[in-house]
Amino acid sequence: DAGITQSPRYKITETGRQVTLMCHQTWSHSYMFWYRQDLGHGLRLIYYSAAADITDKGEVPDGYVVSRSKTENFPLTLESATRSQTSVYFCASSEMGGGSYNEQFFGPGTRLTVL
Amino acid sequence: GQNIDQPTEMTATEGAIVQINCTYQTSGFNGLFWYQQHAGEAPTFLSYNVLDGLEEKGRFSSFLSRSKGYSYLLLKELQMKDSASYLCAGPTDSWGKLQFGAGTQVVVTP
Repeated sequence: DAGITQSPRYKITETGRQVTLMCHQTWSHSYMFWYRQDLGHGLRLIYYSAAADITDKGEVPDGYVVSRSKTENFPLTLESATRSQTSVYFCASSEMGGGSYNEQFFGPGTRLTVL
Repeated sequence: GQNIDQPTEMTATEGAIVQINCTYQTSGFNGLFWYQQHAGEAPTFLSYNVLDGLEEKGRFSSFLSRSKGYSYLLLKELQMKDSASYLCAGPTDSWGKLQFGAGTQVVVTP
């Protein structure tokens, strides 16, 4: 499918388990981002990537790991899930960074529940 | 990060006009984005202001004053489908990172 996709769309897991959320985009955008969205906090940046093999932390990176071996994929791993990581996770991509016009395109989101 | 403030909720009737304000610290943002997010869906881009002034796009307009750290989104001729959350966001650095406000829930009533 064209665009940006996320899988799974819904996930229930238990505390302490490792979980990987997948993100795939077909536009060959250089920049990719992971956000979490919680009531009252809006979207908060977890990690971002400017290109394959270039990643950096955002505002709330603790407990998460990312990798980007290919331009089109940007998986997010929760190494040992905690209840506080229950949230809706959005992946996004943009063609440019550089402080210029850099509209981000969002995936449909993954709703994660940690029991 | 930057403090971005926007009202939590606004209610307006169909056909009316609503203005959603967004304020932020004056340093650090190169322009300002507005996104729309319907319940249970992903945010979608509405507008981007890089210069001061008003940008009009159909029923939606966005205004920016960089010196005052102030932006607004104006929704005219409201329709029921405009019921959504509206997020303002500032690009914080040259990597394209965005700092989002908590969002304003707009409720359009018949």
